[in-house]
Amino acid sequence: EVQLVQSGAEVKKPGESLKISCKGSGYSFTSYWIGWVRQMPGKGLEWMGIIYPGDSDTRYSPSFQGQVTISADKSITTAYLQWSSLKASDTAMYYCASASGSSKTFDYWGQGTLVTVSS
Amino acid sequence: EIVLTQSPGTLSLSPGERATLSCRASQSVSSTYLAWYQQKPGQAPRLLIYGASNRATGIPDRFSGSGSGTDFTLTISRLEPEDFAVYYCQQYGSSPPAWTFGQGTKVEIK
Repeated sequence: EVQLVQSGAEVKKPGESLKISCKGSGYSFTSYWIGWVRQMPGKGLEWMGIIYPGDSDTRYSPSFQGQVTISADKSITTAYLQWSSLKASDTAMYYCASASGSSKTFDYWGQGTLVTVSS
Repeated sequence: EIVLTQSPGTLSLSPGERATLSCRASQSVSSTYLAWYQQKPGQAPRLLIYGASNRATGIPDRFSGSGSGTDFTLTISRLEPEDFAVYYCQQYGSSPPAWTFGQGTKVEIK
């Protein structure tokens, strides 16, 4: 069974750093892209970026380029999303999702990680 | 950058009725890379349709997708109580590689 299990909810202050994780299991981790999707409170889905763990090829949405860093450790089948300096506007639910190679659709999703940034 | 515009924003229908959701792209999209997702409150999105018209594993046949070029449609033939949710279309473009979501259509109980 394919599973993406994300790390737990976080409460941070503006200016702090953060790294959240997404652990994949039940499939070949290095053969599928893993993307990150933001959902701000009461809003829609926004694609942030994506990584191919097989060779660490990483692509970012222009809206998020330079704002976050996506990485992966294939030895522990885990992808990461990190911020160096959080802002209140980063408060959102963040989902990871695996994308198949052929249709590039997000077939499987993590349960989401809620990040709250507040002073 | 391709923009996906979904309409209507909200669809108010009764169980048993037919729902027709639209997704329009700002330029032509390959059908291979057009998908639909369902999201219920407090849950992660779930893949419904990929390749514009192919149901994902376990998706009931009351859900169907169609369209090509810039106009795509998700149809729910007879709404069940569990179908009231928000639906998003999504496309992948290769130059440069980018994934884009529409803003969503909420299907609510009338």
